[in-house]
Amino acid sequence: EVQLVESGGGLVQPGGSLRLSCAASGFTFSSYWMSWVRQAPGKGLEWVANIKQDGSEKYYVDSVKGRFTISRDNAKNSLYLQMNSLRAEDTAVYYCAREHYSRSSGSYTFDYWGQGTLVTVSS
Amino acid sequence: QSVLTQPPSVSAAPGQKVTISCSGSSSNIGNNYVSWYQQLPGTAPKLLIYDNNKRPSGIPDRFSGSKSGTSATLGITGLQTGDEADYYCGTWDSSLSAGPWVFGGGTKLTVL
Repeated sequence: EVQLVESGGGLVQPGGSLRLSCAASGFTFSSYWMSWVRQAPGKGLEWVANIKQDGSEKYYVDSVKGRFTISRDNAKNSLYLQMNSLRAEDTAVYYCAREHYSRSSGSYTFDYWGQGTLVTVSS
Repeated sequence: QSVLTQPPSVSAAPGQKVTISCSGSSSNIGNNYVSWYQQLPGTAPKLLIYDNNKRPSGIPDRFSGSKSGTSATLGITGLQTGDEADYYCGTWDSSLSAGPWVFGGGTKLTVL
């Protein structure tokens, strides 16, 4: 059974830092692109960042570039998000999600999501 | 403001059919495949439809998807109270300012 379990969320002051983790199990973690997607309270989904299977490619939404860093440790089946210079607008539930490649279409989709971890940025 | 446009809410009676629209542009829906996600209250999103119209195993055929041009549609037939949830469309976007992944703002389905 595929499982994604996030941790590391909490209350942090503006300008502070936090590191999120996502523990993966039930599949070959090193074979998949992985993403972080966030959801502000009462709002919709926003993709944050993703990382290639071997960590050689990383992409970010403009609003977090230069502040957030995505990384992974395939030996530990873990995905990370280092968040620095946090702002109030970063307050959200952060989900880790697996990107599934569809061979029939050559397209990707998010086929499994973790339960999320809440990050609150407030003084 | 989301890149993809969905109606904020839709409603219908149990047993009826409902459709949820998702409008985009040539940089996203027009040239990429669309997925749909269901988010039940207090839970994580769940994949409902991928590749415009394919259902993962375990998703009942009451759920269907289609795409035409720069718009996509999710259809749900035989509505049940358990279908009350927020529904999101998502796809790739080739625009440098948005991508690569974009979502709609979500549609809240109420089963009256």
